Amino acid sequence: AQSVTQLGSHVSVSEGALVLLRCNYSSSVPPYLFWYVQYPNQGLQLLLKYTSAATLVKGINGFEAEFKKSETSFHLTKPSAHMSDAAEYFCAVSEGNSGGYQKVTFGIGTKLQVIP
Amino acid sequence: GAVVSQHPSWVICKSGTSVKIECRSLDFQATTMFWYRQFPKQSLMLMATSNEGSKATYEQGVEKDKFLINHASLTLSTLTVTSAHPEDSSFYICSAATDSNQPQHFGDGTRLSIL
Repeated sequence: AQSVTQLGSHVSVSEGALVLLRCNYSSSVPPYLFWYVQYPNQGLQLLLKYTSAATLVKGINGFEAEFKKSETSFHLTKPSAHMSDAAEYFCAVSEGNSGGYQKVTFGIGTKLQVIP
Repeated sequence: GAVVSQHPSWVICKSGTSVKIECRSLDFQATTMFWYRQFPKQSLMLMATSNEGSKATYEQGVEKDKFLINHASLTLSTLTVTSAHPEDSSFYICSAATDSNQPQHFGDGTRLSIL
């Protein structure tokens, strides 16, 4: 079984400030981990993924995430928020080598607001 | 690359109508396609997984006779909501993958509103 917990359904940051979106996971097997972004009335766009290679993963739009097995965390960060980063962000987990990219479980999402 | 097109993007119809949503992989062949449902302010919930040429695998609690899925080709899957009612109103999103070792690519979703 696998699950994802995203702490904070809403996060507000000032433009130019650090963005930190928290994600903790639970998985009975080594996981694959993902962050997706969703803009209003659109599907999901993959920001980055961890698939058991480097623990610090760099994604698109300046985002990165670090896999910390000891903390079962995969927090998403960006050094400087931009207005265009305002969207909803979903953390997700799949069963890694057992299930590849199938059976992805999504967190509840964190809506990021960027204040000018 | 890896573009998934979903159509229609928005549909409004009367209660009792059946609605078909198409999901197409435009520049790759999708062995597997997934259908999700997203309620307002909630996450995506997997409804079913379909593999080309075989019957879809539905998640627990999803009525297969209510949500008909067809994956007749490597580039097209359809979801038909039969005899739709207001409680079926939701945002439906499909995704596609070449195989289980590749990431899912998502369509832009279909907002279904049943009056």
